[in-house]
Amino acid sequence: KNQVEQSPQSLIILEGKNCTLQCNYTVSPFSNLRWYKQDTGRGPVSLTIMTFSENTKSNGRYTATLDADTKQSSLHITASQLSDSASYICVVTESYGQNFVFGPGTRLSVLP
Amino acid sequence: DAGVTQSPTHLIKTRGQQVTLRCSPKSGHDTVSWYQQALGQGPQFIFQYYEEEERQRGNFPDRFSGHQFPNYSSELNVNALLLGDSALYLCASSLDPGGSETQYFGPGTRLLVL
Repeated sequence: KNQVEQSPQSLIILEGKNCTLQCNYTVSPFSNLRWYKQDTGRGPVSLTIMTFSENTKSNGRYTATLDADTKQSSLHITASQLSDSASYICVVTESYGQNFVFGPGTRLSVLP
Repeated sequence: DAGVTQSPTHLIKTRGQQVTLRCSPKSGHDTVSWYQQALGQGPQFIFQYYEEEERQRGNFPDRFSGHQFPNYSSELNVNALLLGDSALYLCASSLDPGGSETQYFGPGTRLLVL
């Protein structure tokens, strides 16, 4: 069964600190992996997208990594800001591209 | 350039009723996908429309149906509403049904079934 798991379920950090969120998947065949940021009550916004051949992708203070062999991805947030408080969702696309499997998300809270 | 828009923003229905949600994709996008997001959970894929046809469907019953119009806008219909259908319904548009292009999400429609 195609699944995406994320950890931790929730995380609290202080402003300015770094953090890393994890995503493990069993989706096969694999097409690409995306990380989204979702503010409360709003639609998700894309942060990064990586295909099978990409190991890392950065978007400002967000850096995503992908290990297609172990089927693991991480999202590293550097120098966190209060506005980073949101849910971060990992989404894996099956090859042939028509099935998107969403993880449950990690709820990040950044405190002053 | 308008992004993805959805209407209505909020909706309250009772069990057994029917509901129609609407989505206008980002300008230039021809593919629309619908998702259901229960409180505190990640979105669940309902189905995707491209060229006015349902191209892929997630694990949702036939009570969930949709339509795509020639201008690429889309509707999601849910019949015989259940309490468990209460959720945020998200619409996402993209340039390509193959999944390689970024999906842009709308703000969602919050449905409450009483």
